[in-house]
Formats: sequence, structure tokens, C-alpha cells
Amino acid sequence: GAGVSQSPSNKVTEKGKDVELRCDPISGHTALYWYRQSLGQGLEFLIYFQGNSAPDKSGLPSDRFSAERTGGSVSTLTIQRTQQEDSAVYLCASRLGGNRQTEAFFGQGTRLTVV
Amino acid sequence: GQNIDQPTEMTATEGAIVQINCTYQTSGFNGLFWYQQHAGEAPTFLSYNVLDGLEEKGRFSSFLSRSKGYSYLLLKELQMKDSASYLCAVRGGGYQKVTFGTGTKLQVIP
Repeated sequence: GAGVSQSPSNKVTEKGKDVELRCDPISGHTALYWYRQSLGQGLEFLIYFQGNSAPDKSGLPSDRFSAERTGGSVSTLTIQRTQQEDSAVYLCASRLGGNRQTEAFFGQGTRLTVV
Repeated sequence: GQNIDQPTEMTATEGAIVQINCTYQTSGFNGLFWYQQHAGEAPTFLSYNVLDGLEEKGRFSSFLSRSKGYSYLLLKELQMKDSASYLCAVRGGGYQKVTFGTGTKLQVIP
């Protein structure tokens, strides 16, 4: 597509439920990032996919968080047993990747509210 | 790991010039980015530096000194619409991922 697409744009869920957030990167972009942004805060790195390499999961805050990227394209971020502190905007970004010096393009984010 | 530092907030006057500083520590440095983020919106790309020196793009310029682990974003002829958060981001580390600073919230006043 023309840009990075994320769905849903808004999600309200009850504490303890699982949620799945989806990211469709720009076609041909091999690098994909997930970040989390709490209100008024900076971007917190969660996970990074680069092509077929093993992902960098060093930013995932707990084992309730997981992500996968199928076929080197669409990515899903799953949060199990959601907690109120998980409420934030989850941003996905993609880049051409490799050693090419290119910027990341962001989706509009999914605003997650855990009640 | 990577460590990125920028001021939390700045205020500047419409028509003036403002410089937003960023210091960083990383292994395997491979580029520094500046992004602009308006409240409630996704970050948008402003500039990229990988070599030392100044990159100019209209009213915005970005400078990099790799030996000092230092960059700044210079905004000239400030406009009210420039009120936003400015995020410094560094690519590096073993995975060559892009890590963001916490951002500098700039308020432009009349």
C-alpha cells in the first residue's frame, strides 16, 4: 500500500483479555519495528524484524507480549492478559532495511485502552 | 545498549531560531534521524545524518559530530505550526535497530 497501515485504530479491552494489533508495512520494506508510546512520553522500543533474521525482542516488557511477522510482510503484536499499564499508543514503522540508509515510516498507531 | 538524551521541553518565539540538542551513546553507530511529532499524530521524518557536518533542508538543518556523540536540529524562522515534539533517533547496536529518545516538546509562542 501507500503507507504503513495499522488496525484497529482504537481498541478498548477489559483487563485480563488478550488483544491482537496488526501492522501492514509498506510493500518491499524488510525492516519492521513496534514501539509503544504512553501519553506525553517518548517512543519505547518493543521489537524489530529484519528480513528473515531472528527478531530483536529486547524491548518486550514481559512474556505477555509477543509478535510475529508472517511471510516477511504483515506483523501482529499480541498482548496476553492485558493490564491497565499496557494502555498506550502502539506504533508500527517500516524501512527498506538492510544497510540502506533510509528512514522509517510510521503508521497512525493503535490506541489501546485497558479498563 | 543505546542511550539518547535530549531536553524535555523548550519554548521559543515565532520568527526566531531554536536549536534542539541530542547526545547519544551507541556501539556500531549507523545514522541519526530527527522526527517531528504533533500531538496525537504519528512521527514524521525530518532529517538524516550519518557523516559529520550540517545537512540543510529549507528552514530545518541537522548537525552531527560522531566523535562527540552529538547532534542538533536547528529550526529557523519559527512558525506556530512548528509547535510539536522533536524526536532524536539513532541506528546502531548489534541488531542495527533504530532507538528513539524521549523527545523535546517545543512550544512556539507569538
